[in-house]
Amino acid sequence: EVQLLESGGGLVQPGGSLRLSCAASGFTFSSYGMSWVRQAPGKGLEWVSSISDSGSSTYYAGSEKGRFTISRDNSKNTLYLQMNSLRAEDTAVYYCAKKLGSGSYYYYFDFWGQGTLVTVSS
Amino acid sequence: DIQLTQSPSSVSASVGDSVTITCRASQGISSWLAWYQQKPGKAPKLLIYAASSLQSGVPSRFSGSGSGTDFTLTISSLQPEDFATYYCQQANSFPNTFGQGTKLEIK
Repeated sequence: EVQLLESGGGLVQPGGSLRLSCAASGFTFSSYGMSWVRQAPGKGLEWVSSISDSGSSTYYAGSEKGRFTISRDNSKNTLYLQMNSLRAEDTAVYYCAKKLGSGSYYYYFDFWGQGTLVTVSS
Repeated sequence: DIQLTQSPSSVSASVGDSVTITCRASQGISSWLAWYQQKPGKAPKLLIYAASSLQSGVPSRFSGSGSGTDFTLTISSLQPEDFATYYCQQANSFPNTFGQGTKLEIK
């Protein structure tokens, strides 16, 4: 059974940093691209970042480029999102999601974690 | 960036009805589109990918169609568990983007 378990969320002051983790199990982690998707309270889904199976390719939404860094440790079956210079508008539930299928360029998300809440506030 | 516009933003329907939700892309995305269902407090669930392919385990009353810029999700014979919010997502290019969502409510 595929399981994705996010952790690392919490309350952080504006300008602060946070690192989210997503522990994966139930599939061959190193064979699949992974992504982060967030959802602000009461709002819709927003794609944040994706990373290829090997970690050699990374992709970011425009507003996060330069502030967020996606990475993965295939030996630990874990996905990360390092978030710096956090703003109030980064407040959201952050989901990690597994890419449907391996080998193709196109990222659909077939399994999702339960999400971790990040609150940016003074 | 490719913008996705869903319509309607909300719709009311009864159990047994059929409902169609539309997603329009700001530029052509071939068939690289997915549909997700989300219930309150839960993670989204993949329903349809590649515009018309049904994800494993999803009931056949869900169907998708379209290519280029115009896409539809149709739910036939609505069941009580189908009342939720639906999102489209384009996978044609990065940054991937989602539509703003369509809330399906019970009439």
